[in-house]
Amino acid sequence: NAGVTQTPKFQVLKTGQSMTLQCAQDMNHNSMYWYRQDPGMGLRLIYYSASEGTTDKGEVPNGYNVSRLNKREFSLRLESAAPSQTSVYFCASSGGQSKYTEAFFGQGTRLTVV
Amino acid sequence: KQEVTQIPAALSVPEGENLVLNCSFTDSAIYNLQWFRQDPGKGLTSLLLIQSSQREQTSGRLNASLDKSSGRSTLYIAASQPGDSATYLCAVRTNAGKSTFGDGTTLTVKP
Repeated sequence: NAGVTQTPKFQVLKTGQSMTLQCAQDMNHNSMYWYRQDPGMGLRLIYYSASEGTTDKGEVPNGYNVSRLNKREFSLRLESAAPSQTSVYFCASSGGQSKYTEAFFGQGTRLTVV
Repeated sequence: KQEVTQIPAALSVPEGENLVLNCSFTDSAIYNLQWFRQDPGKGLTSLLLIQSSQREQTSGRLNASLDKSSGRSTLYIAASQPGDSATYLCAVRTNAGKSTFGDGTTLTVKP
């Protein structure tokens, strides 16, 4: 059972380039999330999707877009990367029949924007 | 706005000691609280989940408690081992969509 799978694991971008981070979960979870983790800032929510077909902004959405492609997949797009977006990005999922279930995380994508 | 604080930021103990990690939060209207472990360069691994109606949860050498009214949770680790060395994070869910994380406590267990 793979859980939450993120691709790629590492990426280096030049300022202004675009890219999409992919996330898929095989636990039949309703909710999916994108976080970024920065030293001294902790984990901050970028966007989340409470269910298939819905997305909402989190704490730091500027510069990002998301797509909930289907129940399994939730992608994060950087349209024009900036050095401030250098971070470790985590995808997570939670919920089956209940919104009270625990969250599971992917292994992360380490993104460097030069 | 929910704020989550974890104290201490770092902790070093000799192997075999029992220890307590602390997590406090400002808004007691929570759905649940979850403790995670994060190893360097890795993702977050779920350790324990406590629902708002529960007082504690146990898994092996780990015991997590929740006092919602005072906005506190503790993670108790018994008989610590070098393999327990990691960063421990707590996360509080205050609605179906969002969780707020603490900055974590980095634990080092010395052989």
